[in-house]
Amino acid sequence: QKEVEQNSGPLSVPEGAIASLNCTYSDRGSQSFFWYRQYSGKSPELIMFIYSNGDKEDGRFTAQLNKASQYVSLLIRDSQPSDSATYLCAVRGYGQNFVFGPGTRLSVLP
Amino acid sequence: GAVVSQHPSWVICKSGTSVKIECRSLDFQATTMFWYRQFPKQSLMLMATSNEGSKATYEQGVEKDKFLINHASLTLSTLTVTSAHPEDSSFYICSANREAGGWETQYFGPGTRLLVL
Repeated sequence: QKEVEQNSGPLSVPEGAIASLNCTYSDRGSQSFFWYRQYSGKSPELIMFIYSNGDKEDGRFTAQLNKASQYVSLLIRDSQPSDSATYLCAVRGYGQNFVFGPGTRLSVLP
Repeated sequence: GAVVSQHPSWVICKSGTSVKIECRSLDFQATTMFWYRQFPKQSLMLMATSNEGSKATYEQGVEKDKFLINHASLTLSTLTVTSAHPEDSSFYICSANREAGGWETQYFGPGTRLLVL
């Protein structure tokens, strides 16, 4: 059973701080990794994807991947109240379905 | 990013009727689309994988005769909830795989809220 685990939260951070969201996965063959944001009552939207070990930055978001530790994280710099949402981690092996984690609820306090 | 649309966004129906939901990839072709269901404050639940030109693959516990999926073209998949009952009320979300540079990324539609009275 391929699993993706996330801390359900809620993770509360003050406005302007760095929010750190973590995700671990069980399948060592996983090749692509995704972070989605889901606002309450809305469908998920893609924030970032990462395929290689290391960091990938896009604006205030940085995805970090460590395949040896089977760990992927998302950092949100200068957190804003509008970042308050549930963040879903998704993992995919080659030619396989996406496996989603349960999501971490982030609350950015003004 | 890629655009996936769903129609309708809201539907209210009487118990026993059938409801069809359309999912379209607007700016790319998708050989694979997915259908999810999400109850309030719960995780996404994958219902089925829809492959263009072939039968859908249903997840364990999902009744294929109740949730009919048709993926007739590379840009359209439909989900029909047959003989809907109040327990089928949920948020139904489709997604589509877009391939670029040998990698696939999944993009979600905006979802359809179904309320069965």
